[in-house]
Amino acid sequence: GQQVMQIPQYQHVQEGEDFTTYCNSSTTLSNIQWYKQRPGGHPVFLIQLVKSGEVKKQKRLTFQFGEAKKNSSLHITATQTTDVGTYFCAARYGNKLVFGAGTILRVKS
Amino acid sequence: DTAVSQTPKYLVTQMGNDKSIKCEQNLGHDTMYWYKQDSKKFLKIMFSYNNKELIINETVPNRFSPKSPDKAHLNLHINSLELGDSAVYFCASSQDPAWETQYFGPGTRLLVL
Repeated sequence: GQQVMQIPQYQHVQEGEDFTTYCNSSTTLSNIQWYKQRPGGHPVFLIQLVKSGEVKKQKRLTFQFGEAKKNSSLHITATQTTDVGTYFCAARYGNKLVFGAGTILRVKS
Repeated sequence: DTAVSQTPKYLVTQMGNDKSIKCEQNLGHDTMYWYKQDSKKFLKIMFSYNNKELIINETVPNRFSPKSPDKAHLNLHINSLELGDSAVYFCASSQDPAWETQYFGPGTRLLVL
């Protein structure tokens, strides 16, 4: 079935370092969403990107949608311990929202 | 007020038992979903209902039966539980099937012994 590939699977960073997770699709996407799941919690919607080459920022988080609308990234500047969790991208294929495998972020203080 | 709620939060049961998980949303959304998250955090859709009608039915064993008594509720009944059913089950809702943002419940952590 359709899937969106997400890397890396895990990332351990020192507090203050930057973090990036990437998602790729073999087909052109209409849009892409990003969710965050804290340990023991549930996925929470962060943002949706729709336009080719779109860049959106939320404080220390920067989201990008590729020019070809086949890839996306989430970049966190100067990570904090509150950033720990799993970050998922999600893309719509037909009538389903398909989630990437997620990137687990651990931050060492 | 909790937007999407699920009960129970934890469920520990023996193999072969039958159990149900309940979900309610007070967002006024038309569409509700069940997702399964395995131990590797992989999140996969199982079912989706729009206004009480089943619109997505993934390749899920027929031991799993969803039921939507009204558009604010979506329950999941599981017959003859197996070890491999152990996972976190999330209910979610969205304004309609094409609406992008999904709102997740807190999850039900099912452990089958």
